[in-house]
Amino acid sequence: DAMVIQNPRYQVTQFGKPVTLSCSQTLNHNVMYWYQQKSSQAPKLLFHYYDKDFNNEADTPDNFQSRRPNTSFCFLDIRSPGLGDTAMYLCATSPGGRFNEQFFGPGTRLTVL
Amino acid sequence: SQKIEQNSEALNIQEGKTATLTCNYTNYSPAYLQWYRQDPGRGPVFLLLIRENEKEKRKERLKVTFDTTLKQSLFHVTASQPADSATYLCAEGGATNKLIFGTGTLLAVQP
Repeated sequence: DAMVIQNPRYQVTQFGKPVTLSCSQTLNHNVMYWYQQKSSQAPKLLFHYYDKDFNNEADTPDNFQSRRPNTSFCFLDIRSPGLGDTAMYLCATSPGGRFNEQFFGPGTRLTVL
Repeated sequence: SQKIEQNSEALNIQEGKTATLTCNYTNYSPAYLQWYRQDPGRGPVFLLLIRENEKEKRKERLKVTFDTTLKQSLFHVTASQPADSATYLCAEGGATNKLIFGTGTLLAVQP
């Protein structure tokens, strides 16, 4: 089945220790998104790629970076995680264009100690 | 800036009843609204999309309405079942590929 896969599902890291979360898709979608979702809050868009074009949200901290080496893979790098970065990180894909739904992965639960 | 507001209080209903969840937007009328279901510890799953010029959409036991006068969308689950218990997210979309999500409303269906 076509899907969005995220690894790892759970990640624990130390304060300030860099961490990378990965996302892959078999849907061959043009657009890939990274969201941060804290407990009982709305998913907050961090950035997205339309093909190779990177689109950063204005309020995304510089601490968060992303890479998309090819259509299938996208990575979220947190250079120096703080305690406030503990959250669920969701990857989603979309064909692009208006009126298209987004397909979400299962998420990575990140805990910063 | 646009905000999507959903009732943060959980909605508790009896099995078999109709659940109605509310989504309000604060600013401009979005081109469309989407509704997603999110189970604990999982990613959201798309349910329905309704466009600005549509009054109502249905899918099986689900119905969504869009009222541009009230700046509101209602999401109905008819003949609700315990398996319908989840958080339901409303999201608005416009001219870009981006969605703005609400915080979601937790629906709890009691057997």
